[in-house]
Amino acid sequence: GQNIDQPTEMTATEGAIVQINCTYQTSGFNGLFWYQQHAGEAPTFLSYNVLDGLEEKGRFSSFLSRSKGYSYLLLKELQMKDSASYLCAVRDGSGAGSYQLTFGKGTKLSVIP
Amino acid sequence: SAVISQKPSRDICQRGTSLTIQCQVDSQVTMMFWYRQQPGQSLTLIATANQGSEATYESGFVIDKFPISRPNLTFSTLTVSNMSPEDSSIYLCSVVTSGYYEQYFGPGTRLTVT
Repeated sequence: GQNIDQPTEMTATEGAIVQINCTYQTSGFNGLFWYQQHAGEAPTFLSYNVLDGLEEKGRFSSFLSRSKGYSYLLLKELQMKDSASYLCAVRDGSGAGSYQLTFGKGTKLSVIP
Repeated sequence: SAVISQKPSRDICQRGTSLTIQCQVDSQVTMMFWYRQQPGQSLTLIATANQGSEATYESGFVIDKFPISRPNLTFSTLTVSNMSPEDSSIYLCSVVTSGYYEQYFGPGTRLTVT
């Protein structure tokens, strides 16, 4: 079966750094995605990792360790607008016909002044 | 990236009726999917919309309840049939672009069934 775990809630201070962890156990692996979702809005694509290591994109970085079934999303220089839910998702298929995502329950991040 | 639009953005429907949701993409995409997000929950895949053939449904979702069409590479529809209050949810169209790497979501359709 598929199992994706991430913390339910986190709180961090404006200007600080926060790391949101995600562990997964899936029958296959073809990439890990992070999305940001503000309340009442659709998910916004943040990052995609398919190889081990760190991918940096501005204030956001995402790390993947396939052997450990582990990823994290690192947010630097937190801003109030970063308050949102962060969704970890795994693409567990392979081949041209298997690109659907399985999502974790999401981590609600609250940034406080 | 891809720009995705959905119609309607929201609707309130009576029990027993049907609603068709449209998804339009600004460029040809390789894969299109329909997801559901129930209140306070994460996203669940309903089906993969296949161009020119029947959609591929996930466990727990059937064609009679959620018929899907995809007549071309930029457009798809999802119908929620014979609605009940349990169908109240946000329905999201999602696409994979030509590189097979990034996946994007439409703005969603917020459905309330009374």
